[in-house]
Amino acid sequence: KAGVTQTPRYLIKTRGQQVTLSCSPISGHRSVSWYQQTPGQGLQFLFEYFSETQRNKGNFPGRFSGRQFSNSRSEMNVSTLELGDSALYLCASSLDGASNYGYTFGSGTRLTVV
Amino acid sequence: LAKTTQPISMDSYEGQEVNITCSHNNIATNDYITWYQQFPSQGPRFIIQGYKTKVTNEVASLFIPADRKSSTLSLPRVSLSDTAVYYCLVGDALPGQNFVFGPGTRLSVLP
Repeated sequence: KAGVTQTPRYLIKTRGQQVTLSCSPISGHRSVSWYQQTPGQGLQFLFEYFSETQRNKGNFPGRFSGRQFSNSRSEMNVSTLELGDSALYLCASSLDGASNYGYTFGSGTRLTVV
Repeated sequence: LAKTTQPISMDSYEGQEVNITCSHNNIATNDYITWYQQFPSQGPRFIIQGYKTKVTNEVASLFIPADRKSSTLSLPRVSLSDTAVYYCLVGDALPGQNFVFGPGTRLSVLP
C-alpha cells in the first residue's frame, strides 16, 4: 500500500513569507500528526488532526497552523517565516492516533528559510 | 506521558548483536512501549511495539521486564545499514495523545 506522501520534498523561502506543506496519509488512516525536526531541538510535536478536527497541539506560536480535509489529507501553514523555522517537517499518519497502532511517517519536507 | 532515558550514542561492529536499553520509571498502566528508527533526512520508521514480556518481529526483539520500568531493543547481527538514530517512546492508547521524542540513541555500526 502507498505510504505517507509529503509534498514538496524541498522548499526554500525568504524571511517574512508564508509556506504551506501537504501530507497525504495512508489510505484509511484518519489521524495525521505534524512534527518539526531541527538539529538543536530534535523532533517536536506541532499538532494532531483527526476527522478534520485538531485534537492536540504542541508548544508552537500561532504562526504555525494546520487543517485536515474530509479525505484525511492535511496541510500545515507557517506564516511570517523566520530563519529558525528552517527544519525538516514530518507528518505521521495512524488509524486513529492511538499509540498501540504505531505511526507511519512520511519522508518529510525540508524547509530552508533564507 | 512517561519520560524516557536512553544512551545518547552506541558503537558496534557488523555482525554483532546490539542491545539498546530505555528507562521509563514513570510508565503508566496503559502505556505501550514503541521503538522507531530514523535515517538522516527521513521520517522515523516504526520498528516494534510491546506492552510486557517479549515481542519479536522480523527485524528486532523487545524485552520488557515485569516491572516495565525499562525496555531493551535487541537488534541481531547488525549491518552497516543499521546505522541510525533509535527512539524509545512510551504512550497510552488514548487517541489524540502525542509522542514526546527524546534525543534517541545514535547507533554507529562499524565495518
